[in-house]
Amino acid sequence: GAVVSQHPSWVICKSGTSVKIECRSLDFQATTMFWYRQFPKQSLMLMATSNEGSKATYEQGVEKDKFLINHASLTLSTLTVTSAHPEDSSFYICSAFPYTGGKTDTQYFGPGTRLTVL
Amino acid sequence: DQQVKQNSPSLSVQEGRISILNCDYTNSMFDYFLWYKKYPAEGPTFLISISSIKDKNEDGRFTVFLNKSAKHLSLHIVPSQPGDSAVYFCAASALSGAGSYQLTFGKGTKLSVIP
Repeated sequence: GAVVSQHPSWVICKSGTSVKIECRSLDFQATTMFWYRQFPKQSLMLMATSNEGSKATYEQGVEKDKFLINHASLTLSTLTVTSAHPEDSSFYICSAFPYTGGKTDTQYFGPGTRLTVL
Repeated sequence: DQQVKQNSPSLSVQEGRISILNCDYTNSMFDYFLWYKKYPAEGPTFLISISSIKDKNEDGRFTVFLNKSAKHLSLHIVPSQPGDSAVYFCAASALSGAGSYQLTFGKGTKLSVIP
């Protein structure tokens, strides 16, 4: 089946630093990738839609200058948390939508990245 | 405003019995529904889906039922096994403004199957 990887799987950083998280589709091309965030005991919250070759579309309430998204190729999207603060500590998950499209195609999720900001 | 609701945060079921997880939605534009299973510190994995033109889809021990008029769907697992213990997310899909099919998730239901 389709595989999506994320790197790193976990990261601890100091407040004020920036952290980059990579999301790769390993065996398929994805023109669209999604970034989600999950707080403990809460649902997955969509942060932004990453489209290859164009600017990301951010959900309401998500700071685009803080969460920089770059979808440089059909297999790679990156999320950079800039000037991270403790409240940014969370579990970040990406998903990739196969190029073939069609509403019956499911998204494939990465394993997630645990970010802890001290 | 939560468009996809899973009102039971947790559910405990005896091994071998049926597990029924429920999900309600409010947005009539949703036309495709999915269930995901998630273990702690892992990404969700796709379980089963159903199109709005159907009212039932079955895959092995997993069956999803859709009642469009009630805007309600349910996931049945029978027989339940200890390995089914996980958080189950209901998700609904609708065409987004970006031209892709964006998912809206419920908060999840934690299923515990007791041996």
